[in-house]
Amino acid sequence: SYVLTQPPSVSVAPGKTARITCGGNNIGSKSVHWYQQKPGQAPVLVIYYDSDRPSGIPERFSGSNSGNTATLTISRVEAGDEADYYCQVWDSSSDHREVFGGGTKLTVL
Amino acid sequence: QITLKESGPTLVKPTQTLTLTCTFSGFSLSTSGVGVGWIRQPPGKALEWLALIYWDDDKRYSPSLKSRLTITKDTSKNQVVLTMTNMDPVDTATYYCAHSPAAAENWFDPWGQGTLVTVSS
Repeated sequence: SYVLTQPPSVSVAPGKTARITCGGNNIGSKSVHWYQQKPGQAPVLVIYYDSDRPSGIPERFSGSNSGNTATLTISRVEAGDEADYYCQVWDSSSDHREVFGGGTKLTVL
Repeated sequence: QITLKESGPTLVKPTQTLTLTCTFSGFSLSTSGVGVGWIRQPPGKALEWLALIYWDDDKRYSPSLKSRLTITKDTSKNQVVLTMTNMDPVDTATYYCAHSPAAAENWFDPWGQGTLVTVSS
């Protein structure tokens, strides 16, 4: 089965850049989607198709995907960005299923 | 505007069957490429995908839970129903339904507010 690996936590000072990685075997060949989840709330899509932003998501959020690592980058981090972030792919192998990473807690110092 | 809302019991006993309904608006599940998925999240833990149903009634299930899950749709009522048999305390979680706008890539946007299901005797 396909596994996505995220660091449990990332810390960043306000105004700096946060990078959250999502590792998977040849993940660069798949489309990666990212979600933000704040405490007590449902997840919100922030990046789809590796690097596309849904309407309403600030340009500070960007994504990239190559090789075995996809990255969510948050520029000029704000206190309101503190949340859990999850990556997700569609595993088109024999069992065809969605896969979520284990999540990364972003702490704004 | 697309909205989804989950409904069902908040408490089920071990071995019972859970039935959850997702009622949505703002899109049609008869539109090509559209799907609705179910995802759950145990307290303090990560998201886990459960099932997905497409506009053409194609269905996908989590391999680890496939034997216990059934997903169906009622296009006329704008509803998707998920049943999970033989519930166990480890199935205690918040259950979300979500809109999937693009078959084959299957991102979820937006999500319902979620419903907390507790499994306890």
